[in-house]
Amino acid sequence: DAGVTQSPTHLIKTRGQQVTLRCSPKSGHDTVSWYQQALGQGPQFIFQYYEEEERQRGNFPDRFSGHQFPNYSSELNVNALLLGDSALYLCASTRGTLDPYEQYFGPGTRLTVT
Amino acid sequence: RKEVEQDPGPFNVPEGATVAFNCTYSNSASQSFFWYRQDCRKEPKLLMSVYSSGNEDGRFTAQLNRASQYISLLIRDSKLSDSATYLCVAPNSGYALNFGKGTSLLVTP
Repeated sequence: DAGVTQSPTHLIKTRGQQVTLRCSPKSGHDTVSWYQQALGQGPQFIFQYYEEEERQRGNFPDRFSGHQFPNYSSELNVNALLLGDSALYLCASTRGTLDPYEQYFGPGTRLTVT
Repeated sequence: RKEVEQDPGPFNVPEGATVAFNCTYSNSASQSFFWYRQDCRKEPKLLMSVYSSGNEDGRFTAQLNRASQYISLLIRDSKLSDSATYLCVAPNSGYALNFGKGTSLLVTP
């Protein structure tokens, strides 16, 4: 049973560039959430996708956008990268209507903005 | 006040010791709570769910005090492999998980 997968593992970008991160949910899960984890902090909720729609959004600027595909996989896009966007980006999946809070995390994408 | 607050530690304990972490939350409407474990540079992994007054799983016991709005995690007979950061989680009014900053535990031989 495949768990949550994310790509790429690591990424280095320059300030002002754009980046796309990808996530495939755990088998049987239909809901994907994205979190940002800065060094020494707990993960911060960015947004959640369910039925290909953004269901809830955290306190992140519009530079952060996302998408969910019919196969439940998801992308996170960040435009106009800032140095402060350097973080571990975690994708979490769950069964949206049955166990909305038991979220399982992927290994993350470590983004460095220089 | 932050939504979920934890003592960051670090907690340094010898093998075999009992250690307890506390966490306070601000949203009194929260119904379920979680403890996640995160190893260095890895993803958080669900350790325990707490839906009522408490939950026990082997050496781990989680307790919930709704009146005081705090959750605790007790680890008995600590192992070297328990060394990690423990994250307290309380969902908000929607579907997002609110994480504390985490409590660092180091179990020493």
